[in-house]
Amino acid sequence: QKEVEQNSGPLSVPEGAIASLNCTYSDRVSQSFFWYRQYSGKSPELIMSIYSNGDKEDGRFTAQLNKASQYVSLLIRDSQPSDSATYLCAVRGSQGNLIFGKGTKLSVKP
Amino acid sequence: SAVISQKPSRDICQRGTSLTIQCQVDSQVTMMFWYRQQPGQSLTLIATANQGSEATYESGFVIDKFPISRPNLTFSTLTVSNMSPEDSSIYLCSGGQGFDNEQFFGPGTRLTVL
Repeated sequence: QKEVEQNSGPLSVPEGAIASLNCTYSDRVSQSFFWYRQYSGKSPELIMSIYSNGDKEDGRFTAQLNKASQYVSLLIRDSQPSDSATYLCAVRGSQGNLIFGKGTKLSVKP
Repeated sequence: SAVISQKPSRDICQRGTSLTIQCQVDSQVTMMFWYRQQPGQSLTLIATANQGSEATYESGFVIDKFPISRPNLTFSTLTVSNMSPEDSSIYLCSGGQGFDNEQFFGPGTRLTVL
């Protein structure tokens, strides 16, 4: 059974700072990893996908993958109050579905 | 990316009744899934909706309780049968173009069972 672990937070950072969100996964053969953002009362919104070791950047977001350590992270640069949300880490399952961590709640203080 | 809509967006139902939730995708997708998100929790997979055949259910979910249809590559329904207050949750459908492609979620259906 694949498992995905995240620190539930809350993680509080000041506006303009870098927010660092971390995720570990149990299945060494996992190949596909995703970060979703979920605002309260809304459905998950895809931020980033990453499949290869290393960094992947998209605007203020950088996803980092280290398959040897079974570790995925998401960095948010120049954090804004509008980034305040729950961030869900997900790993591809055997059916093509997603297996989610419990999510990290991020709060960006003005 | 696929745009996914769900109906109804929310409903309040009586114990013992059933509710059917519809999921419509604006383009053909290979993969469709149904998830449940209980209050304050993360998403849990209910089943994979297979086009033209029976859905594949996760442990703890059964067809009699959560029958699923998927008549084509853009549409699926999930029925929550014989509801109890424990079924109060948000039900989400998702779709993706292929096994290893990104998945996108519908807005969810918020169900309250009294």
